[in-house]
Amino acid sequence: AQSVTQPDIHITVSEGASLELRCNYSYGATPYLFWYVQSPGQGLQLLLKYFSGDTLVQGIKGFEAEFKRSQSSFNLRKPSVHWSDAAEYFCAVGRGTGTASKLTFGTGTRLQVTL
Amino acid sequence: KAGVTQTPRYLIKTRGQQVTLSCSPISGHRSVSWYQQTPGQGLQFLFEYFSETQRNKGNFPGRFSGRQFSNSRSEMNVSTLELGDSALYLCASSLEGEDTQYFGPGTRLTVL
Repeated sequence: AQSVTQPDIHITVSEGASLELRCNYSYGATPYLFWYVQSPGQGLQLLLKYFSGDTLVQGIKGFEAEFKRSQSSFNLRKPSVHWSDAAEYFCAVGRGTGTASKLTFGTGTRLQVTL
Repeated sequence: KAGVTQTPRYLIKTRGQQVTLSCSPISGHRSVSWYQQTPGQGLQFLFEYFSETQRNKGNFPGRFSGRQFSNSRSEMNVSTLELGDSALYLCASSLEGEDTQYFGPGTRLTVL
């Protein structure tokens, strides 16, 4: 069964500092990986996704993520955080069967940005 | 193109009642999935519908059910509500053959 681990429950960074959110997955085949962001009381917004090809993927709002098969990781990064990035971030893995059957989510990392 | 819409946004019910939540997918999307989000359990998959058929189901009791209409709109129903059903219910839609899911704003259900 697929699973996702986000080891950091809560991270605090200063505005302008760099950010890295960790995500480790467990999946028997090539995973389809996603990062979503959720602001309080809102739904999930897709930041970026990885299916295949270039292991460094660019997303919206200046985010990027790198797929590392050897480490089973898909960490999210941003070179300079803005106060508006404060939110909860979820990593997810899909089955990659071509049918959007199910996403398995990590427990999320809450990002706090200090001014 | 309009995003996924969910109605109502907020709902308060009492134990034992039943509730129906509605989801309208992005135009052209025929797959609709439902998720439950709670502080304790996180995001959990409920079920997925495609072309009016349930294609996948999560590990939830039979009190949770859903359906999809010919226009791809979907509803989920929870009967005999329990306090533990209080959650944010998220709907997501996707194109046929694609794994990327796009989420609506959710319905916040509170059971008293």
